[in-house]
Amino acid sequence: NAGVTQTPKFQVLKTGQSMTLQCAQDMNHNSMYWYRQDPGMGLRLIYYSASEGTTDKGEVPNGYNVSRLNKREFSLRLESAAPSQTSVYFCASSEYASGGARETQYFGPGTRLLVL
Amino acid sequence: GEDVEQSLFLSVREGDSSVINCTYTDSSSTYLYWYKQEPGAGLQLLTYIFSNMDMKQDQRLTVLLNKKDKHLSLRIADTQTGDSAIYFCAVRYSGGGADGLTFGKGTHLIIQP
Repeated sequence: NAGVTQTPKFQVLKTGQSMTLQCAQDMNHNSMYWYRQDPGMGLRLIYYSASEGTTDKGEVPNGYNVSRLNKREFSLRLESAAPSQTSVYFCASSEYASGGARETQYFGPGTRLLVL
Repeated sequence: GEDVEQSLFLSVREGDSSVINCTYTDSSSTYLYWYKQEPGAGLQLLTYIFSNMDMKQDQRLTVLLNKKDKHLSLRIADTQTGDSAIYFCAVRYSGGGADGLTFGKGTHLIIQP
């Protein structure tokens, strides 16, 4: 049981390049999330998927798109990377998006992205 | 919108108790969480408390919730060098808006020998 896995661990992009960050969970969770973490900041929610087939914007969605490929996988795409998107990206999952203790979120190890 | 505030740094001596504090602004909170992040790693869930509880204890960890003052604290007894990390308070608010958690900026816990 690996929990939440993310690939790649590190990535360097040039401004304008595109890439997709992958996330998978093996806990049979319904809900998945993408956050970014910047120095001196907490985590900010980019997008989330309350259940398979649904996605919704979080606090900072601009410049990103997501796909809930199936129950296990939730990807984050940067279509045209900008230096402001340099950050550490965390994927998380929970059994449900609301519903008491079953909304407790479990995090992946993160993807460190540098946009030059 | 919702806001979660934490002190950025806390320094304690090894063996002492650490108390990390968190304040939040919205009284519609449901669950409140403490996460630990070690250098270069993801966030690890430490504990959580439901908003109708005042206290929760789990081994060396004690969480206290004062709903009237919107204040949450995490006490780590007998602090060890392995406790050195960033501790994030996170609040799950009920009601509309995006799902997910609102995080504080994290408290760096520094252990002095």
